[in-house]
Amino acid sequence: ETGVTQTPRHLVMGMTNKKSLKCEQHLGHNAMYWYKQSAKKPLELMFVYSLEERVENNSVPSRFSPECPNSSHLFLHLHTLQPEDSALYLCASSQVYIYNSPLHFGNGTRLTVT
Amino acid sequence: GQQVMQIPQYQHVQEGEDFTTYCNSSTTLSNIQWYKQRPGGHPVFLIQLVKSGEVKKQKRLTFQFGEAKKNSSLHITATQTTDVGTYFCAGPDYGGSQGNLIFGKGTKLSVKP
Repeated sequence: ETGVTQTPRHLVMGMTNKKSLKCEQHLGHNAMYWYKQSAKKPLELMFVYSLEERVENNSVPSRFSPECPNSSHLFLHLHTLQPEDSALYLCASSQVYIYNSPLHFGNGTRLTVT
Repeated sequence: GQQVMQIPQYQHVQEGEDFTTYCNSSTTLSNIQWYKQRPGGHPVFLIQLVKSGEVKKQKRLTFQFGEAKKNSSLHITATQTTDVGTYFCAGPDYGGSQGNLIFGKGTKLSVKP
């Protein structure tokens, strides 16, 4: 499935680095999401953009900064991360305002913070 | 707050055996979705249930939505090695914006050939 594309697939960064994760969806959806998936925890919603406006920020630390320049692209800017931020970061998209629209996930970025 | 719970957390079966995972919500849900995540992969949408008592089948997979719309189950008949992965249920997050989902922790299925 290539509907939602994430880059890079793997990222290793030091705690003082600045990096960005990129997501692109080709499904014509109007909402995009960042999820964090770490061991032994459920999928955690980080940010939601609906119609290019951020509608939800689930108390995510400011070292994570999202950007949604248009309905097809989503970024997650990372700076001064902590080792506990190591996880799989998943981007997803959906069509809100259509009842019960499922999420389409990208392959994820496996992030390791050293 | 609203919670979605899944049991068991892990299930190991011999190929050919059946498998069931259960999902329970702290609140009544308008719908429930199921996803599968293969090892090293990403969650992939399987199905959505909407009606009270609804039962849907996809080949060897049977999905049920409880009468009270607070619980659901996924049953796999005669498991195969291709069924390996983690199965998640998810329900609408009524405390969040439209389209948000609350996921269960998932049931990780391993199948021994």
